[in-house]
Amino acid sequence: GQNIDQPTEMTATEGAIVQINCTYQTSGFNGLFWYQQHAGEAPTFLSYNVLDGLEEKGRFSSFLSRSKGYSYLLLKELQMKDSASYLCAVTDSNYQLIWGAGTKLIIKP
Amino acid sequence: NAGVTQTPKFQVLKTGQSMTLQCAQDMNHEYMSWYRQDPGMGLRLIHYSVGAGITDQGEVPNGYNVSRSTTEDFPLRLLSAAPSQTSVYFCASSYSSGDLNNSPLHFGNGTRLTVT
Repeated sequence: GQNIDQPTEMTATEGAIVQINCTYQTSGFNGLFWYQQHAGEAPTFLSYNVLDGLEEKGRFSSFLSRSKGYSYLLLKELQMKDSASYLCAVTDSNYQLIWGAGTKLIIKP
Repeated sequence: NAGVTQTPKFQVLKTGQSMTLQCAQDMNHEYMSWYRQDPGMGLRLIHYSVGAGITDQGEVPNGYNVSRSTTEDFPLRLLSAAPSQTSVYFCASSYSSGDLNNSPLHFGNGTRLTVT
């Protein structure tokens, strides 16, 4: 079966750095997405990785290792507005998106 | 630019009732889809469409129908509501016509449905 694992919940302090991990087992791989979802709102696109390595976008970076079936989202200089759920999703060999259950990130002052 | 517009935002149904969730996008996206989101689970695909006149089933299609008569609109019909269909429903669209490779989804604001 296809599976994506993320921690259910993480807590971090304002101004700090946090890493949210995602491991996947899917039938094929055609890319990995990270989305942010604030409570009661729609998911919004954060990043996309298809090649191994690190993609940086301002305070957010996303890393991919295809051989290990592993990705992480790195958030730097955390702000209170970063409190949200972070969803990992993988595009499989049929170009269908497989979604993780999401990681709820709580930022404390 | 409105993006993806879903209506209604909230709905309460009794078991056995039917209703239609509306979804419209103004970005000329070929790909449209419906997801449900339940606590502790990833988004699950109900139905999707790669263009006007074409629809296909996702992971959890039972109890739902869709149609795609225009590029802009993709309504989701609940045929006979059941308590198991209590969920948050999201419509999402993408530029890519079926190939989601590097083509992120744009989501509507969701419909919170309760079936009693």
